[in-house]
Amino acid sequence: EDQVTQSPEALRLQEGESSSLNCSYTVSGLRGLFWYRQDPGKGPEFLFTLYSAGEEKEKERLKATLTKKESFLHITAPKPEDSATYLCAVQATDSWGKLQFGAGTQVVVTP
Amino acid sequence: EPEVTQTPSHQVTQMGQEVILRCVPISNHLYFYWYRQILGQKVEFLVSFYNNEISEKSEIFDDQFSVERPDGSNFTLKIRSTKLEDSAMYFCASSVSGTLTYEQYFGPGTRLTVT
Repeated sequence: EDQVTQSPEALRLQEGESSSLNCSYTVSGLRGLFWYRQDPGKGPEFLFTLYSAGEEKEKERLKATLTKKESFLHITAPKPEDSATYLCAVQATDSWGKLQFGAGTQVVVTP
Repeated sequence: EPEVTQTPSHQVTQMGQEVILRCVPISNHLYFYWYRQILGQKVEFLVSFYNNEISEKSEIFDDQFSVERPDGSNFTLKIRSTKLEDSAMYFCASSVSGTLTYEQYFGPGTRLTVT
C-alpha cells in the first residue's frame, strides 16, 4: 500500500533559523511528488512538483529536493509569514490524478 | 490569477439531509477532483472526474456520494443522506491534465457540519 510519512509533526523556528522538513514515501511507481502549503482553515496552496530523483526546485526561501525514497523541503532564513502547515503528496503511476497526502509538518516561525 | 472557487464556505445540515457542494474550477482545466479533510487529519482523496466521467474514486466515495458537471463551469459534489462522520472540510481541485503530473490547484474549501 502507498504511504507518505512526514516528519517532524511540528517545528518551531526563530526567524532566520534554517531547517528541513522530511517526506518519506512508499509507492509502487512515482509519477510525481508535490509540496503544498496550507494555512489554517484554507485550501492547500501548490508550491512544487518533483518528478525524478536528483531534481531540485526553488521558490524564494524554499527549496525542495527528491531522492528515490524521500523528499526534503528546506526553509532558508524563514520569516514569520512562512508559518504554515507544509503538506507532501505523491501521485502514483497507476492513478488517474489521485494525490495521497502525508499528515503535514506544522511550522511556526517566531520573530 | 485564475483560482478555484467554492460555495458555500460553510454548510450546516441535519443528519440524513442531502447537501450539494459547488465548485468552479479554473477555466482551461480539464480534470476535476474532490478531497476532504476531517479536522486534524490528512487530506483524503475522494474522486477524480474527466470528460463527464469518474476516472478514479476512493473507498470513501460510496453510493451516498455523486459528482456532476451540470454546465460548462460548475462541478458539484452531492451527499445524499449525510452522516455525522461526513463533517469535514471539502476541497475541490482542478488540473490541466490528470496523467501528466500537472499540479492540482485547490479551492478554499467548504466546511460541512452535520448535526
